[in-house]
Amino acid sequence: DTAVSQTPKYLVTQMGNDKSIKCEQNLGHDTMYWYKQDSKKFLKIMFSYNNKELIINETVPNRFSPKSPDKAHLNLHINSLELGDSAVYFCASSQKGTGGYEQYFGPGTRLTVT
Amino acid sequence: AQSVTQLGSHVSVSEGALVLLRCNYSSSVPPYLFWYVQYPNQGLQLLLKYTSAATLVKGINGFEAEFKKSETSFHLTKPSAHMSDAAEYFCAVSESGGNQGGKLIFGQGTELSVKP
Repeated sequence: DTAVSQTPKYLVTQMGNDKSIKCEQNLGHDTMYWYKQDSKKFLKIMFSYNNKELIINETVPNRFSPKSPDKAHLNLHINSLELGDSAVYFCASSQKGTGGYEQYFGPGTRLTVT
Repeated sequence: AQSVTQLGSHVSVSEGALVLLRCNYSSSVPPYLFWYVQYPNQGLQLLLKYTSAATLVKGINGFEAEFKKSETSFHLTKPSAHMSDAAEYFCAVSESGGNQGGKLIFGQGTELSVKP
């Protein structure tokens, strides 16, 4: 029973196209995130939503638009894809507790832009 | 601003040897600290976390880490490496308060290789 799931796992597309990545969590968490892992494996946060409200937007190009239809889902839509968008995108979720925000990650979506 | 530095992008040990992966952090407020492991083509799995309850933290798979405020360090250790420990390891920090929503700031990662 997967806690945080993402679809698709692999995405190959051409420059200029528009694509979406979907994320769902069944942990009952209030907060969800998108992270980008580049080719050097460096991880950087992109967005965070809490109860469908955007709380973090880390100076990501406005070609990237997150959408949270409910607190269990956080999708990422990317317009006009560029070569530099090629990366692995991870969704994560968490619930604030006494131990802060312990985050659970999805398996990742490997996006390749050609 | 918070930051994390992992010393050594690649560490190689022999099976059965001590594993030591170094992490130093910078934070203006009391931090929460985490170690995550990433196996090839997989997501990140939480190994352990420091949340101020105890400075020596034990995690899964025999790993532990010690929070040293004076050294701003949170090094990860394991007494005896197994072949299955070969993976990428990430240290991360988040703020304990404020409205940052728990965002994680990651170090650059350390790739652990285990030789037979």
